[in-house]
Amino acid sequence: QLQLQESGPGLVKPSETLSLTCTVSGGSISSSSYYWGWIRQPPGKGLEWIGSIYYSGSTYYNPSLKSRVTISVDTSKNQFSLKLSSVTAADTAVYYCARHWVVDTMVRGVIRWFDPWGQGTLVTVSS
Amino acid sequence: QSVLTQPPSVSAAPGQKVTISCSGSSSNIGNNYVSWYQQLPGTAPKLLIYENNKRPSGIPDRFSGSKSGTSATLGITGLQTGDEADYYCGTWDSSLSVWVFGGGTKLTVL
Repeated sequence: QLQLQESGPGLVKPSETLSLTCTVSGGSISSSSYYWGWIRQPPGKGLEWIGSIYYSGSTYYNPSLKSRVTISVDTSKNQFSLKLSSVTAADTAVYYCARHWVVDTMVRGVIRWFDPWGQGTLVTVSS
Repeated sequence: QSVLTQPPSVSAAPGQKVTISCSGSSSNIGNNYVSWYQQLPGTAPKLLIYENNKRPSGIPDRFSGSKSGTSATLGITGLQTGDEADYYCGTWDSSLSVWVFGGGTKLTVL
């Protein structure tokens, strides 16, 4: 059973870079059927997709965050990582990693969904 | 303001049925597949429905999904107190090139 686990500092200072890692267990990150994604949720608010990466390193990001986001993958460690630069209090959120299914059916179009999700980690931006 | 519009809250009695709507546009729901997620209090979201109406293994058939035009609907029958949660729809937006979630709907089982 595939499991994902986020790790990283729970407190980051304003203007610094937030760094998180997602460790995948119970399966290989190097699969042709999936991307691997990051999603965040500010306290008491809804979900926001940050970006996703393929095991080859191909990425796509939310345009609203693209200038500050870098997602990378380390297949040897079965991990992928998130870096968000120049953080402010608005970046305070629970950050989730998830397997991002992207299935190109060729005939019926591309089918996408997120499953499973990690348990999430709260990152607070504060001095 | 979310690209996908959901009602902030819905409620129903145990054993009853409830539907949660998700309204979008031709650039998202109208031309892409919808998935639904359940977020129980204090936990991570969990996939309920993918590809508009398919249930992953382990999800009871009390949960159903449908799509018509630029709107999607999640249905829950035989409501249980354990179904109290926030529910989110999500899909790809082809114009914005971004995955979008609805604002979420809080389900209360009275």
